Amino acid sequence: DIQMTQSPSSLSASVGDRVTITCRASQSISSYLNWYQRKPGKAPKLLIYAASSLQSGVPSRFSGSGSGTDFTLTISSLQPEDFATYYCQQTYSTPIFTFGPGTKVDIK
Amino acid sequence: QVQLQESGPGLVKPSQTLSLTCTVSGDSISSGYYYWSWIRQPAGKGLEWIGRIYKSGSTNYNPSLKSRVTISVDTSKNQFSLRLSSVTAADTAVYYCARDKDWRGFDPWGQGTQVTVSS
Repeated sequence: DIQMTQSPSSLSASVGDRVTITCRASQSISSYLNWYQRKPGKAPKLLIYAASSLQSGVPSRFSGSGSGTDFTLTISSLQPEDFATYYCQQTYSTPIFTFGPGTKVDIK
Repeated sequence: QVQLQESGPGLVKPSQTLSLTCTVSGDSISSGYYYWSWIRQPAGKGLEWIGRIYKSGSTNYNPSLKSRVTISVDTSKNQFSLRLSSVTAADTAVYYCARDKDWRGFDPWGQGTQVTVSS
C-alpha cells in the first residue's frame, strides 16, 4: 500500500502570508497527486489535480508542485476564506486511493 | 451545476448493516464517463476511500473493507448506494459521496452525512 504523510500537521498563519504544505508518498507516484480543501460542515473541494493543474474555479493563489515522492501545496497570499484543513490524495495506485492525514491551517 | 446529496439513517446498531444513498443532480450517471465513489472520515481521523461504481455496475473496493461493502447503482433514479455490513463503533464516521474522475480527483463531493454506530 502507498502511504501518504503531510507536514506540518497544523500551522498558524496570518492573512497575506505565504503558506506551504508538504505531502510525501511512501513510493514514487509520478504526478498522480491531488489536493483538497475541507472546511467544517462543508463538502471537501478539489483544488489541484495531477500535482500542478489548477481545478476550474479555484483561485490562482493556490498552486501545486512536485513529482515522484515529494509534493507541495502553496497558497501565495492567505485569505480569510482559506482557513481550513488540506489533504493530499494519491491516485497512482488506482483504483485504490489513499489520502494524507491532513494539515490544518488556522489563524495566528 | 453538479450536486450530490447523501441520505440515510444517522444511527445504526452494532452488527447491523449501514445503508446510504447518494442522489446526483446536474449530471447523468448513465450518460457520463465517470466513476462514483464513497469516502468516509471518522472523527479526528483522516479520509478513507471506501469504493466506487461505474454506470455499468462495475465496482472497485478498498481491500480493507471489501468483505463488508456493496456499492450499487440505480441509473433510473440517478442514484448510487452504499451498504456496509456487520458494523462496529469503528465505522462511526461522516460518509461522503463524490463524482470520481479517477486520476483527476473527486469533484464534486456531497456535504457528508454523520453515521453513528451505537446500541
